[in-house]
Amino acid sequence: QKEVEQDPGPLSVPEGAIVSLNCTYSNSAFQYFMWYRQYSRKGPELLMYTYSSGNKEDGRFTAQVDKSSKYISLFIRDSQPSDSATYLCAMSGYALNFGKGTSLLVTP
Amino acid sequence: DAGVTQSPTHLIKTRGQQVTLRCSPKSGHDTVSWYQQALGQGPQFIFQYYEEEERQRGNFPDRFSGHQFPNYSSELNVNALLLGDSALYLCASSQGLAGTTDTQYFGPGTRLTVL
Repeated sequence: QKEVEQDPGPLSVPEGAIVSLNCTYSNSAFQYFMWYRQYSRKGPELLMYTYSSGNKEDGRFTAQVDKSSKYISLFIRDSQPSDSATYLCAMSGYALNFGKGTSLLVTP
Repeated sequence: DAGVTQSPTHLIKTRGQQVTLRCSPKSGHDTVSWYQQALGQGPQFIFQYYEEEERQRGNFPDRFSGHQFPNYSSELNVNALLLGDSALYLCASSQGLAGTTDTQYFGPGTRLTVL
């Protein structure tokens, strides 16, 4: 079993929809949780960074962490075509442990 | 403020050859980590350098080696290339040894193709 599990999708939604992306993990030692966005053939770009359980909001993005369930989520409100990308969850041990990434397509 | 830069952008090599990839960290960062991202997969941690020493290493063979220079830039060397080494190689920088759990900023990557 991989330490971080993420459904690769693809996920296709219409513009304006609310998008929910999720990851589960098995290592309770993970302390920091991040979401990265990666456009095709580019490096990952940090979107959200959280430490504790609960919600963190930044504009249209909300990151949610539930350490008791070992489950993290990223919500995107009012999704735009420019949000079309692969979204990677990452968690820190001594290095970042990534999920496989979820491919998101927002159609106009 | 320059972010993380990597060179070259693309590289094509044949099996058995050796390759060197380069990375300059974001201004103010002193820790460099290298990741391998195969197509359709998330990045996999190779190793991390801080104060010119390898501090942590992932599950990669000794064919993968690195170096960090006094100006914090870093090189990744891969010897005896295999077809399976074809991937996007990402460099990430952060600040301080605590950068293992701190925010890491990624460069655009070097795409290596092994024929």
